[in-house]
Amino acid sequence: SQTIHQWPATLVQPVGSPLSLECTVEGTSNPNLYWYRQAAGRGLQLLFYSVGIGQISSEVPQNLSASRPQDRQFILSSKKLLLSDSGFYLCAWSSGTGDEQYFGPGTRLTVT
Amino acid sequence: AQKITQTQPGMFVQEKEAVTLDCTYDTSDPSYGLFWYKQPSSGEMIFLIYQGSYDQQNATEGRYSLNFQKARKSANLVISASQLGDSAMYFCAMRENSGYSTLTFGKGTMLLVSP
Repeated sequence: SQTIHQWPATLVQPVGSPLSLECTVEGTSNPNLYWYRQAAGRGLQLLFYSVGIGQISSEVPQNLSASRPQDRQFILSSKKLLLSDSGFYLCAWSSGTGDEQYFGPGTRLTVT
Repeated sequence: AQKITQTQPGMFVQEKEAVTLDCTYDTSDPSYGLFWYKQPSSGEMIFLIYQGSYDQQNATEGRYSLNFQKARKSANLVISASQLGDSAMYFCAMRENSGYSTLTFGKGTMLLVSP
């Protein structure tokens, strides 16, 4: 069966510091991968998605970037965090031909 | 214009009763998919049910069913026999055929189930 991991689970970072959040998927190959952000009490906003290694599409221009160095690894990064980057970050995967997206446990980021 | 609208910020239901969570959508794509997810307080998003735009019958998954009214562009989630563990945020989402497999989410409805 497929499993999706995210780490860290929680993170507190000062403004201006770098960020690296990691997501890995097990039990499937060539998944579509997604990064979402959820601000407190709000819905999900798609940040990035990837249909293959090195292929990243950005939905919202901002202070963040994403990379996919391996088939089942998706990384969300920032060089300098802003206060507005605080939120709950969720990684998700879907199969190449399937529709449902399956989410990881999320990372709660607080920028101070 | 919002693509997914959930007009109920919060809903209350008693245990064992049925509840309907509303969702309307806006798309010009003839082929699309509609999804419902549950988010408990732990934060994880749990996939509940899927309805394709060409599906003739309403989707059902255990106690969950999707009341799909294509002409009205609505895709309401019906939870039968509510349980205390159903208390959570519920999100409606849509995949348009032109958008790879990206999903657009509504703002969610908080459901509270009381004993």
